[in-house]
Amino acid sequence: GEDVEQSLFLSVREGDSSVINCTYTDSSSTYLYWYKQEPGAGLQLLTYIFSNMDMKQDQRLTVLLNKKDKHLSLRIADTQTGDSAIYFCAEENTGFQKLVFGTGTRLLVSP
Amino acid sequence: DGGITQSPKYLFRKEGQNVTLSCEQNLNHDAMYWYRQDPGQGLRLIYYSQIVNDFQKGDIAEGYSVSREKKESFPLTVTSAQKNPTAFYLCASSREGAYEQYFGPGTRLTVT
Repeated sequence: GEDVEQSLFLSVREGDSSVINCTYTDSSSTYLYWYKQEPGAGLQLLTYIFSNMDMKQDQRLTVLLNKKDKHLSLRIADTQTGDSAIYFCAEENTGFQKLVFGTGTRLLVSP
Repeated sequence: DGGITQSPKYLFRKEGQNVTLSCEQNLNHDAMYWYRQDPGQGLRLIYYSQIVNDFQKGDIAEGYSVSREKKESFPLTVTSAQKNPTAFYLCASSREGAYEQYFGPGTRLTVT
């Protein structure tokens, strides 16, 4: 099936690290993506990882990929209140040339 | 300034009326997509188009129609056959052969 699963909610304090998890289904995906959605806005591409990588770091963001378990995570270091948003992971459905999005994780950062 | 525009940001319609949502991109992308987002839920694919004059149904195409007469434009019509049209609608585009999608700001449609 095409279920990309994420936990619905994560709450952290400002300055802590946040880890958002995702499990995907399509082992043939070449790229996996993380998007951020602020209230009432469209999705903003945050980062992506190529399937032959285990880790990718981009400033405060670290993406970890475990292909064996089909598990993807996004770590945000030194989380700020401006990071409060919904975060979506997405896998490629290579057969139909489209992305399949997870349900989204709502991150709430408190001061 | 390249990007994707959707208009209007908010749209109100009475039940039984068709309504067309606009999506325009100047990124020279070949592929365009329409998603629906309901409160607390993820994105569901309505229709997508890989090339001009061609489009495919997504997971929830019933009650919707699209056209792709120009590369830059991919309008979505929400017909009266759509049972629960009130939602946030997002348009996206991507380059040929690439899956990385770029999103517009969305249109919130309310039907009463």
